[in-house]
Amino acid sequence: SQTIHQWPATLVQPVGSPLSLECTVEGTSNPNLYWYRQAAGRGLQLLFYSVGIGQISSEVPQNLSASRPQDRQFILSSKKLLLSDSGFYLCAWRGLAGYKNIQYFGAGTRLSVL
Amino acid sequence: ELKVEQNPLFLSMQEGKNYTIYCNYSTTSDRLYWYRQDPGKSLESLFVLLSNGAVKQEGRLMASLDTKARLSTLHITAAVHDLSATYFCAVENSGGYQKVTFGTGTKLQVIP
Repeated sequence: SQTIHQWPATLVQPVGSPLSLECTVEGTSNPNLYWYRQAAGRGLQLLFYSVGIGQISSEVPQNLSASRPQDRQFILSSKKLLLSDSGFYLCAWRGLAGYKNIQYFGAGTRLSVL
Repeated sequence: ELKVEQNPLFLSMQEGKNYTIYCNYSTTSDRLYWYRQDPGKSLESLFVLLSNGAVKQEGRLMASLDTKARLSTLHITAAVHDLSATYFCAVENSGGYQKVTFGTGTKLQVIP
């Protein structure tokens, strides 16, 4: 079966510090991978998506970046965090038709920038 | 640019009552999803609707899709407290990237 892992679950970082959030998927190959951010009480905003290794598309200009060094690994990074980067970050994957054509979400990382 | 609008944004209802959440989207789409999110938790997939006239039901929830009207509904029958959560619809673009745009969510509170 397929599983998606995100870590850490919770993170408190000072403004100006770097960030690295990791997401890995097991049990599938060549998934489409996504990073979303959810501000408190709001909907989901797509940040990045990737259709393959090294292929990243950015949806929102910001101080965040994403990388996909391996097929099932997706990393969200920042060199210097801003207060506005606080939120709930969700990684998601989507496979082929055999997986019911839906996005599966990780448990999320709650980031507080102070 | 694909836009997805949900209404209402907040819904407070008594147990046993029926209600409908609406999801409108602005351009043609390949498919539409409904998700549930409990406070502080990730998203749980409820339904995926693939074609015009599609209807899916799970327990007290029923989702339908009208692609001509660009409208999906999530109908709640005889609500119970356990259904309290935030419900999101999400629409996938017509194209090769499987990009999904989420609505703003409907926070449902079922009062015993």
